[in-house]
Amino acid sequence: DAGVIQSPRHEVTEMGQEVTLRCKLISGHNSLFWYRQTMMRGLELLIYFNNNVPIDDSGMPEDRFSAKMPNASFSTLKIQPSEPRDSAVYFCASLGGAGGLSTDTQYFGPGTRLTVL
Amino acid sequence: RKEVEQDPGPFNVPEGATVAFNCTYSNSASQSFFWYRQDCRKEPKLLMSVYSSGNEDGRFTAQLNRASQYISLLIRDSKLSDSATYLCVVRGYTGGFKTIFGAGTRLFVKA
Repeated sequence: DAGVIQSPRHEVTEMGQEVTLRCKLISGHNSLFWYRQTMMRGLELLIYFNNNVPIDDSGMPEDRFSAKMPNASFSTLKIQPSEPRDSAVYFCASLGGAGGLSTDTQYFGPGTRLTVL
Repeated sequence: RKEVEQDPGPFNVPEGATVAFNCTYSNSASQSFFWYRQDCRKEPKLLMSVYSSGNEDGRFTAQLNRASQYISLLIRDSKLSDSATYLCVVRGYTGGFKTIFGAGTRLFVKA
């Protein structure tokens, strides 16, 4: 299995530009999480989906952030317009197994390192 | 108050030392608990799950106290390769398995 796939791995953009981050879940998993990690705030949960449905987006910082899951295996996180304070590492994580147990292991993608100038 | 709180660290210890990490969580309905390890510029990876009865994996021992909403991780005979950030993780069900991470505690093991 290829694991969780994220793209791009690095993104450098200018303030005001739109940024789209992408994530592909592990085959057979049904929950997807987007996290943001900074030195100051640690690993913050932004939003998570279960069976393609957004369950909790209370961690999304503001309306500039949006996330979609158009199918069972793929998600996007969009920032429009981007600001320098959005600079962080964005991780996508995949969870799920046949049993749907709360003890299932959550697997992370390698992350996207975003720099907004 | 954060949902999951950890010792801020960093911890600097010599090889062979025993080091303990502590974590508290605020949601008493939380169901599952884990410790993750994160190496520099890498993604977090599962170290071990934490059970109420306590569990051990080699040099690592995890404990859970539901009454106090407290989780711990003990590393015995620490190795240079144990240097990393250790993240406390709490999961509860709210239509899906909401999984919250603590900010992490950085560990440096020195020769």
